[in-house]
Amino acid sequence: GENVEQHPSTLSVQEGDSAVIKCTYSDSASNYFPWYKQELGKRPQLIIDIRSNVGEKKDQRIAVTLNKTAKHFSLHITETQPEDSAVYFCAASNPGSARQLTFGSGTQLTVLP
Amino acid sequence: DGGITQSPKYLFRKEGQNVTLSCEQNLNHDAMYWYRQDPGQGLRLIYYSQIVNDFQKGDIAEGYSVSREKKESFPLTVTSAQKNPTAFYLCASSFYAGTNSNQPQHFGDGTRLSIL
Repeated sequence: GENVEQHPSTLSVQEGDSAVIKCTYSDSASNYFPWYKQELGKRPQLIIDIRSNVGEKKDQRIAVTLNKTAKHFSLHITETQPEDSAVYFCAASNPGSARQLTFGSGTQLTVLP
Repeated sequence: DGGITQSPKYLFRKEGQNVTLSCEQNLNHDAMYWYRQDPGQGLRLIYYSQIVNDFQKGDIAEGYSVSREKKESFPLTVTSAQKNPTAFYLCASSFYAGTNSNQPQHFGDGTRLSIL
């Protein structure tokens, strides 16, 4: 089955700096990669996703890049703000798998004011 | 995602007791999922269901049971066989367009289960 590795597990940045979170996946058939943000005690919320027919997708300060050959994808947050502090999860989906998503272990991002 | 409602928000279980967590969605989603999240950990899949009256075990199904009698509802029962049930339980749902498509999952607010 699919295995998703996520790094780093914790990340601290100064307000205004950029943050990068990286994930690798094992199943070359996976073709959908969402990212979720989870604030303490709350539900994970989808913040951006990418499909394998594109290499990069942006939404304001957030971008995701995908390298299918290397089987890794990354989340980039620019001009970080304290409200960006949360746990971020990546996930991968193999269309042939009914379970749909396999999640990474999460990254605790702390933005220092 | 106001369309997915989990209840209760907090639940306490006594030794030897079965408890049921509710998950209801009004998004007309086909598929529903249950995840367990332990402190500082990721999301582990317990059970999932693509259509009514059908469900499959996930990675950690032992000690849990589910039913899917209605499209809108996917309750999870934590049985007495689950010896370490203390965790945050998240329900999710998505459209299911077949095995050649991928759809984003949307989550409920979760139920925090503790042992008395």
